[in-house]
Amino acid sequence: LAKTTQPISMDSYEGQEVNITCSHNNIATNDYITWYQQFPSQGPRFIIQGYKTKVTNEVASLFIPADRKSSTLSLPRFSLSDTAVYYCLVGDPGGGYNKLIFGAGTRLAVHP
Amino acid sequence: DSGVTQTPKHLITATGQRVTLRCSPRSGDLSVYWYQQSLDQGLQFLIQYYNGEERAKGNILERFSAQQFPDLHSELNLSSLELGDSALYFCASSVELPNSPLHFGNGTRLTVT
Repeated sequence: LAKTTQPISMDSYEGQEVNITCSHNNIATNDYITWYQQFPSQGPRFIIQGYKTKVTNEVASLFIPADRKSSTLSLPRFSLSDTAVYYCLVGDPGGGYNKLIFGAGTRLAVHP
Repeated sequence: DSGVTQTPKHLITATGQRVTLRCSPRSGDLSVYWYQQSLDQGLQFLIQYYNGEERAKGNILERFSAQQFPDLHSELNLSSLELGDSALYFCASSVELPNSPLHFGNGTRLTVT
């Protein structure tokens, strides 16, 4: 079971780019890296998913180095409304238990 | 809107009682997952169903059970409720294809008094 390690919390300022790094030393060949965002009292929301190199969508970018033992979620121009908990998951999205386990996540707080 | 519907949104009941939480997955999704999130705790995976069959089981108590019906909606049954069962219960759904993320509903908040 691929385990992930993220910082428990991070602080940032409005308008700045925020980067959250997730470590996953035991990532398997078939594993993808998926990030979710959760606002208080809401269900987690899929942000981005990647396998290697860089993935970008309208919300975020995901940077994955060649060894794939870590990944960095980048949120551009962080705003107060982005204050949430961010989860990194590693697993085989084709099925299996691995993709189902959420870690403690990173609680991101933004200051004006 | 994720397309996953959970009812009811709130539920208040007493210890020892039994409740049923309902989930309708996104159209076309065959897999349904149940998670429990206690106050200030992470998401605990309970159970997964795929097209009516149990696919994976997590930290689900014996007092809890679930099923997925032919129309793909799912129900989570919680019985002999205890104060510690108070939590947010989330349902998620997905397609069983590579790169398929989970889509979560907004949960049912259960309060046991």
